[in-house]
Amino acid sequence: GAGVSQSPSNKVTEKGKDVELRCDPISGHTALYWYRQSLGQGLEFLIYFQGNSAPDKSGLPSDRFSAERTGGSVSTLTIQRTQQEDSAVYLCASSQTGRETQYFGPGTRLLVL
Amino acid sequence: QQPVQSPQAVILREGEDAVINCSSSKALYSVHWYRQKHGEAPVFLMILLKGGEQKGHDKISASFNEKKQQSSLYLTASQLSYSGTYFCGTVALSGGYNKLIFGAGTRLAVHP
Repeated sequence: GAGVSQSPSNKVTEKGKDVELRCDPISGHTALYWYRQSLGQGLEFLIYFQGNSAPDKSGLPSDRFSAERTGGSVSTLTIQRTQQEDSAVYLCASSQTGRETQYFGPGTRLLVL
Repeated sequence: QQPVQSPQAVILREGEDAVINCSSSKALYSVHWYRQKHGEAPVFLMILLKGGEQKGHDKISASFNEKKQQSSLYLTASQLSYSGTYFCGTVALSGGYNKLIFGAGTRLAVHP
């Protein structure tokens, strides 16, 4: 596609439910990143994929968070048993090999009630 | 590990200049600069790959001092459209993989 796309754009869920956030990177980009941004805050690194493997998961806040990437393309970030503190904008970015420009998607705004 | 940005916030009148600094405790491969406007995703401004390299984009330029592990973003004759939060991101030389870590951001407000 022309750019990075994410879905859904907005998600409202109840505390305790599971959510899945999807990211479609730019075609051909091998590196994919997930970030979390709380209101008025900076970009919190969550996880980095190179191809289908994740050499760095150090940013995942707890074991309720997991992510996978299939076919070297689409990635899914799953949050189990959501908590109110999970409310934030979840941004996905991709780059060609990992050291170049990162192109960000529009983000998914998650609200946990 | 997170690069340190300064200042945290800047308020300018249109036409004034500003400098935003980014420093790291690690030897760096590259420094990236992004701007994020309210409610939008971050947008790439420029990347600096070599020590001492300077790049410019319109009236926004940046330098990279490899020895000091620092980068500075220069905004000249600021325009209202420059308002937003500026993030630097750094890729360390070591680590074996390509992880971009962002600083906490610098909020810039340009007023008429």
